[in-house]
Amino acid sequence: EAGVAQSPRYKIIEKRQSVAFWCNPISGHATLYWYQQILGQGPKLLIQFQNNGVVDDSQLPKDRFSAERLKGVDSTLKIQPAKLEDSAVYLCASTRWGDSQETQYFGPGTRLLVL
Amino acid sequence: GDSVTQMEGPVTLSEEAFLTINCTYTATGYPSLFWYVQYPGEGLQLLLKATKADDKGSNKGFEATYRKETTSFHLEKGSVQVSDSAVYFCALSGMVTGGGNKLTFGTGTQLKVEL
Repeated sequence: EAGVAQSPRYKIIEKRQSVAFWCNPISGHATLYWYQQILGQGPKLLIQFQNNGVVDDSQLPKDRFSAERLKGVDSTLKIQPAKLEDSAVYLCASTRWGDSQETQYFGPGTRLLVL
Repeated sequence: GDSVTQMEGPVTLSEEAFLTINCTYTATGYPSLFWYVQYPGEGLQLLLKATKADDKGSNKGFEATYRKETTSFHLEKGSVQVSDSAVYFCALSGMVTGGGNKLTFGTGTQLKVEL
């Protein structure tokens, strides 16, 4: 089966600009996650969707970050305006809902550099 | 909240040496435990997992045992190769309000294997 797709793979922007990332999960995976991985750290969950509803967005900086998952498939993560500290790799992952031993499948990530 | 602590790197070993990367966790309930690997320039990949106490996860010569009494999940390999050079992340999967699982990652341990 095809893996989790993300685009773009790399993005360089100036601070205060806006940026958007796209994720297409594995077909049939109801749960979708966005993570932020700052250099030298482990991934940190930003938001979790179950179909098109938000399950957990407690660590999403809502003053500048937003995410949506229309129709319960693709998802976009937006940053507006970007700050220097937003430089990181943004990972998307997906998993099946209902498996007792579910595992998250990760996309390749989008590497963001804010100058 | 849930947390994962793993030994700091980088860990530098000679080829065929024995590897141990320590990981301990704090969580409510009985989480599933994972080791993920991130090769240079690639995305996160699941290496192995264990879902209950005393389970041993294994893959590619790596193994880790879920020790509930010591809340540990140490990664071991008897003979490392240069191709094992990567960053290794310990993680746990805990339940979130509303359903689904949330992965909590450690900070990662970089492994360098030299000839």
